[in-house]
Amino acid sequence: GAGVSQSPRYKVAKRGQDVALRCDPISGHVSLFWYQQALGQGPEFLTYFQNEAQLDKSGLPSDRFFAERPEGSVSTLKIQRTQQEDSAVYLCASSRDQETQYFGPGTRLLVL
Amino acid sequence: AQKVTQAQTEISVVEKEDVTLDCVYETRDTTYYLFWYKQPPSGELVFLIRRNSFDEQNEISGRYSWNFQKSTSSFNFTITASQVVDSAVYFCALSDPETGANNLFFGTGTRLTVIP
Repeated sequence: GAGVSQSPRYKVAKRGQDVALRCDPISGHVSLFWYQQALGQGPEFLTYFQNEAQLDKSGLPSDRFFAERPEGSVSTLKIQRTQQEDSAVYLCASSRDQETQYFGPGTRLLVL
Repeated sequence: AQKVTQAQTEISVVEKEDVTLDCVYETRDTTYYLFWYKQPPSGELVFLIRRNSFDEQNEISGRYSWNFQKSTSSFNFTITASQVVDSAVYFCALSDPETGANNLFFGTGTRLTVIP
């Protein structure tokens, strides 16, 4: 079956612009996670959904970051007024059993 | 607090050599899960293995094997007879459902280069 897909794969934004990153999880996976991966580092947790409920957003670095999953399937991570420090790869993962997470290819964001 | 340490930043081996990637973790809980993921140059994290804290049996899958030792809080990964296609960054990760959190805590990764 299809894996996790993310779009766009690459995004260049000018500082101050808003961006929206999309994640399509594996069909039937109730849990969805967003991670941020800085260059040369491991992924760091941002937020977690179970179906449409956002159960944990403790990793979001500022109130400029917002995530939603209104119908319990596709999720969007939005970053408002982007800053250079937001440049990173944003990874989405989904899981069925809350144990093994399967990752998408990521969106590489560059803020100029 | 949960923490995963991968002390080896980069390793280079010649093809067909064996290589072991180290992972040491910290958690105060008795129930947890350990993972290894591979991140090739394409960037996607590929799931390799999951281990729960009550299962200390070593596991072998083809050229891959994993050694889990609770006594030393280690979950090491060995690739036997390495191949060029094994070149990637490998991440060890921990999840700790006892805290109610389902997210993964990752180490900083080990970049493996297999030289032909």
